[in-house]
Amino acid sequence: NAGVTQTPKFQVLKTGQSMTLQCAQDMNHEYMSWYRQDPGMGLRLIHYSVGAGITDQGEVPNGYNVSRSTTEDFPLRLLSAAPSQTSVYFCASSYLSAGGSPLHFGNGTRLTVT
Amino acid sequence: GENVEQHPSTLSVQEGDSAVIKCTYSDSASNYFPWYKQELGKGPQLIIDIRSNVGEKKDQRIAVTLNKTAKHFSLHITETQPEDSAVYFCAASRVGDSSYKLIFGSGTRLLVRP
Repeated sequence: NAGVTQTPKFQVLKTGQSMTLQCAQDMNHEYMSWYRQDPGMGLRLIHYSVGAGITDQGEVPNGYNVSRSTTEDFPLRLLSAAPSQTSVYFCASSYLSAGGSPLHFGNGTRLTVT
Repeated sequence: GENVEQHPSTLSVQEGDSAVIKCTYSDSASNYFPWYKQELGKGPQLIIDIRSNVGEKKDQRIAVTLNKTAKHFSLHITETQPEDSAVYFCAASRVGDSSYKLIFGSGTRLLVRP
C-alpha cells in the first residue's frame, strides 16, 4: 500500500515551458486535490476533484489545469511556467465523508522556474 | 470564500512546557477543523480533528478546543518533547454539502528546546 505517490520529487523549468506533475493514490479515495506551499503562506488549494470526470477550482487555479480520468490519478499541468509558480506542490486524497475525512498527502514536488 | 488565520507563526518552548496555537476562520458554516503536522521534507499528516458539534477533543498530549461563537479553535500540546518540533497547520472546511474545499492557515513552526 503506497498511499499517495508524487513524481517527480524535484524539477527545474525555464519560463514558458510546460510540464505535468503526476499524482497517484492506491486507497480508492474519491477526493483528490493539489496544494502549493510557499513560505509564510501555508498550503493553498489549486484544484480538486470529487470523482472521475469531476474537477473544480480552488483558491489559486490560474496557470494550472487538471483532469481526472481515473479514480487513481490526478495530474497537474503547468501550461506555461512562470517564476511565480516556483513552489512545493502537494497532492492529497481522502474518502468523501459527510463528517469530514483526513487528507493523505504525498511527499511533494519541489518546482523551480527560472 | 473561507479564510483561516493562524498565530503565532513561530513558537519556541522549553521541553516539558505547553504549546498553544490559535486559528480563526471566517465562514460561519465551517464544521470540520483538522490539525496537521509537517516534518521536514514530508507532506503534512493529520494529528487531530474536531467537528462543530463538539467543543473539545483530546488525544494523549494533544487537545483541540473550538469556540463556534467566536469562530476560533486552538491546538494545545502538553509536556512537549523534542520530537514535537515541526510545522503545524490548522484548516477549516464545510463538509456535508457540495463544497469540499479544505482551507489551511499559514502554519506555525514549533521548536521544542531540550
